[in-house]
Amino acid sequence: GAVVSQHPSWVICKSGTSVKIECRSLDFQATTMFWYRQFPKQSLMLMATSNEGSKATYEQGVEKDKFLINHASLTLSTLTVTSAHPEDSSFYICSARDMLAGVIQETQYFGPGTRLLVL
Amino acid sequence: KQEVTQIPAALSVPEGENLVLNCSFTDSAIYNLQWFRQDPGKGLTSLLLIQSSQREQTSGRLNASLDKSSGRSTLYIAASQPGDSATYLCAVNIASGSRLTFGEGTQLTVNP
Repeated sequence: GAVVSQHPSWVICKSGTSVKIECRSLDFQATTMFWYRQFPKQSLMLMATSNEGSKATYEQGVEKDKFLINHASLTLSTLTVTSAHPEDSSFYICSARDMLAGVIQETQYFGPGTRLLVL
Repeated sequence: KQEVTQIPAALSVPEGENLVLNCSFTDSAIYNLQWFRQDPGKGLTSLLLIQSSQREQTSGRLNASLDKSSGRSTLYIAASQPGDSATYLCAVNIASGSRLTFGEGTQLTVNP
């Protein structure tokens, strides 16, 4: 089945630093990837939709200058949390949709998540 | 705005029991609905996807039903096992290729 990986799985950083999280589709090409964040005991909240070769579409209330998304290839999207602060500490999860014969499939495959702790 | 609600928020059952998890959504104009499983500190695993034209989907001990007109879906787990302990999330998709809207999840504990 389709596999999505994320790296790193854990990151601890000091306040004010930037952190980059990678999301890769390992055995399929993904023109569209999604970035979510999840706080403890809460559900997933969509942050942005990442489109290969174009700018990401951000959800209302998500600062695009703080959460930089780059989708430079069909298998890789990156999320950079710039000037991270303790309130950015969360679980970040990406997902991707497979394509079959040029048609985007409906099932979303999720990465294992990246836990970010900002001190 | 589509809102998804899951009841109950938490459920604890003895091993072997059959159980039902509920999901409701406010806008019945959905394209499909998915059920996911999330283990603590992990990503999501897709369990079942039901298209809007379908009434149910089955996979092993899992059966998901969809009543689009009433805005409801249920996930039925037969003969529950301790390994089924996880958080179960439902999510709706309003159009092909669009975003998913998630419910808050039901945290299930199956006791040996």
